[in-house]
Amino acid sequence: AQRVTQPEKLLSVFKGAPVELKCNYSYSGSPELFWYVQYSRQRLQLLLRHISRESIKGFTADLNKGETSFHLKKPFAQEEDSAMYYCALKTGANNLFFGTGTRLTVIP
Amino acid sequence: EAGVAQSPRYKIIEKRQSVAFWCNPISGHATLYWYQQILGQGPKLLIQFQNNGVVDDSQLPKDRFSAERLKGVDSTLKIQPAKLEDSAVYLCASSQIQQGRLNEQFFGPGTRLTVL
Repeated sequence: AQRVTQPEKLLSVFKGAPVELKCNYSYSGSPELFWYVQYSRQRLQLLLRHISRESIKGFTADLNKGETSFHLKKPFAQEEDSAMYYCALKTGANNLFFGTGTRLTVIP
Repeated sequence: EAGVAQSPRYKIIEKRQSVAFWCNPISGHATLYWYQQILGQGPKLLIQFQNNGVVDDSQLPKDRFSAERLKGVDSTLKIQPAKLEDSAVYLCASSQIQQGRLNEQFFGPGTRLTVL
């Protein structure tokens, strides 16, 4: 069985401060992790995937198999980063298992 | 490129009534997903289609939920009869055909169902 844990339901940071959204997973197979984001009044959309190893909108996430984590980081938060963020794990059935999400608020 | 379309956007019904949701995926996307998102939770996969075949319906409560994608394009999700705990947002997503690698899923706006 798989599990994705996002321990923070709510996270507030000031504009310009670093932000880290935590994600831990449990999975017996080779993990493939994703971050999806939902901005206010918009659709859920892919932010980044670990196999791409790229920075999107200043965000990065590194898969740490030893700590079974895939934390999302950005060095300087912007107001437009305020959104709901979901960590997701690819399952053996080739679909996604989502965490419960973290609502990020960037305070001006 | 048009995105995933869903209708209706909102639906209010009484328990024990029936309801149906419709989804039209992005043109050319062979894989279609239905998710249930209960307030305060992440999306939970109900069913995955590849063309008109079911790939995974292990989380679908088959005693009351059904879904079809007869021509391999648009899809309908039905609940009959509805229970209070079915109140949720129902999301449809589509992606290019899955062959090993999990392709990006594109989500629709969702249908918010309230069961009274």
